[in-house]
Amino acid sequence: DTAVSQTPKYLVTQMGNDKSIKCEQNLGHDTMYWYKQDSKKFLKIMFSYNNKELIINETVPNRFSPKSPDKAHLNLHINSLELGDSAVYFCASARGAGNTIYFGEGSWLTVV
Amino acid sequence: AQTVTQSQPEMSVQEAETVTLSCTYDTSESDYYLFWYKQPPSRQMILVIRQEAYKQQNATENRFSVNFQKAAKSFSLKISDSQLGDAAMYFCAYRTHSRFTNAGKSTFGDGTTLTVKP
Repeated sequence: DTAVSQTPKYLVTQMGNDKSIKCEQNLGHDTMYWYKQDSKKFLKIMFSYNNKELIINETVPNRFSPKSPDKAHLNLHINSLELGDSAVYFCASARGAGNTIYFGEGSWLTVV
Repeated sequence: AQTVTQSQPEMSVQEAETVTLSCTYDTSESDYYLFWYKQPPSRQMILVIRQEAYKQQNATENRFSVNFQKAAKSFSLKISDSQLGDAAMYFCAYRTHSRFTNAGKSTFGDGTTLTVKP
């Protein structure tokens, strides 16, 4: 079974649309993250949740809204998509502070 | 805020040779964790090796080992007997230990692309 799974893996959509990426982890971790990897492959944290509570919210446009219904799930909703949102979005999870972060396989978002 | 610097955007190594990837970081914390992740073209992020700052002994995982210099804030990755499958982008990462500091926020370097020549 995949430890951190995210869907969809590939997503092509038009500018202005709203889309969601779902993430689930079956590792029993209490902390989940969303990272964005741009075309230059720079990896930047977007959000972090700990036991469903938002802990980290980096400088991300408010068109991006994470939602954590329970500590095993962290979804990412994006409104009014722009060309610059095209990237690979990684969901990740970890148990507590300091422990290894486990990544999902990434969701490739292309905005046309 | 912590920063992680990988000064080598690209590196290459001959198959079966040894290569060292550099990483330096800046922090005011005394307790933290350091990681190296490998990202092949598939974009999957794979943990290579992990080092706890309170441990003086350098971590090793088969052909992968680190040279951790806490005072110098340096954390280099050595790959011995390089294989074609080692070709990937490698990210150095810092993670705070304190649960009271942004729930263990991680900071990643910009990555080093490693090419392995046959």
